[in-house]
Amino acid sequence: DQQVKQNSPSLSVQEGRISILNCDYTNSMFDYFLWYKKYPAEGPTFLISISSIKDKNEDGRFTVFLNKSAKHLSLHIVPSQPGDSAVYFCAASAGTGNQFYFGTGTSLTVIP
Amino acid sequence: NAGVTQTPKFQVLKTGQSMTLQCAQDMNHEYMSWYRQDPGMGLRLIHYSVGAGITDQGEVPNGYNVSRSTTEDFPLRLLSAAPSQTSVYFCASSSNLDREPKLFFGSGTQLSVL
Repeated sequence: DQQVKQNSPSLSVQEGRISILNCDYTNSMFDYFLWYKKYPAEGPTFLISISSIKDKNEDGRFTVFLNKSAKHLSLHIVPSQPGDSAVYFCAASAGTGNQFYFGTGTSLTVIP
Repeated sequence: NAGVTQTPKFQVLKTGQSMTLQCAQDMNHEYMSWYRQDPGMGLRLIHYSVGAGITDQGEVPNGYNVSRSTTEDFPLRLLSAAPSQTSVYFCASSSNLDREPKLFFGSGTQLSVL
């Protein structure tokens, strides 16, 4: 059973606008979350993280929001750029382990 | 700095053949893991290791073996390949010392089993 879900397989956004990617999880023990970006024929690369003691974390154009009561997190990209076109995965872990459970991914296309 | 290196990049096998996917990291990371990526399934954890000599099963371990004799290397073995093992395989590593760990991935091995 998928513990981390990304219900939108794809998303298209105009360049300069905001991209919002969503992720839901079912395991209440998850307390640390990551977002990864993946280009074709490459491995995923780390984008941004958030721990459960926070509800927001920013890094440049990227902001992750965490709603623990809803078991939901989202990644905001502002402004979106064509180079942001990629597949985005969210991942979650529980406790001090490095075992991460990944979502199914959302393919973002930023239209110039 | 090479990071996580996977070989080969591509492989075609016949059903029943065996092979080993190689993974090496040069970051002195204690934790290493193998994932497979399938359409609509995301990345699923196959096996992981928290240090040399220690391995454990992930979400989808059946059909795969691993060992960890050194900190640097974490090979994944398919003893008798099946078409269901056609996938893209990623190796990842991370440090147990980081308060907020992150996985570093290799570039992947695309495996086709005919």
